[in-house]
Amino acid sequence: DTAVSQTPKYLVTQMGNDKSIKCEQNLGHDTMYWYKQDSKKFLKIMFSYNNKELIINETVPNRFSPKSPDKAHLNLHINSLELGDSAVYFCASSRRGSGNTIYFGEGSWLTVV
Amino acid sequence: DQQVKQNSPSLSVQEGRISILNCDYTNSMFDYFLWYKKYPAEGPTFLISISSIKDKNEDGRFTVFLNKSAKHLSLHIVPSQPGDSAVYFCAASGEDTGKLIFGQGTTLQVKP
Repeated sequence: DTAVSQTPKYLVTQMGNDKSIKCEQNLGHDTMYWYKQDSKKFLKIMFSYNNKELIINETVPNRFSPKSPDKAHLNLHINSLELGDSAVYFCASSRRGSGNTIYFGEGSWLTVV
Repeated sequence: DQQVKQNSPSLSVQEGRISILNCDYTNSMFDYFLWYKKYPAEGPTFLISISSIKDKNEDGRFTVFLNKSAKHLSLHIVPSQPGDSAVYFCAASGEDTGKLIFGQGTTLQVKP
């Protein structure tokens, strides 16, 4: 029944590794997002996809690559993990356009050691 | 440059009283505002929203007020309950992409 689900919830990994976080939504939305909450608790958008097309790409290192196989899925792959990548990553979805509520997943806690 | 600001990092109120959480924004192009509630180890949960064509929206114990001239919005919770204790984020949107800009959050503690 979970509307926006993401896995894994917790991930501890070593510097230099490559990891992926998966996200799926069953709300029938056409737009999906990745947000990052850093150590200062700010929530900032990283990427947004609409119908598998990238529409927002904030200033994010190239090591981060989102992939949307279909409009219900948006995965985040991170190459060559660095200590500063430690954060909580939230997947979210909505219908496209201002005025539509964005619904969030429960978050993925990534710790790079 | 932070376009959405919540200047109070924390707020403590007594159960049954009113909680007022404030939010200021700088971008006059924002046309949709939302409040999210977040418990530890969970994702933000949508609470209430308001369009820029309105100045008030009410849903049960929660009311959001928008003052466009002052670029200010507030969330009122009446009466406050201990279960309302959480971090509250204000967010704004003004683009067709639906991109949300978040404030830094206010931690509300409601004491029994």
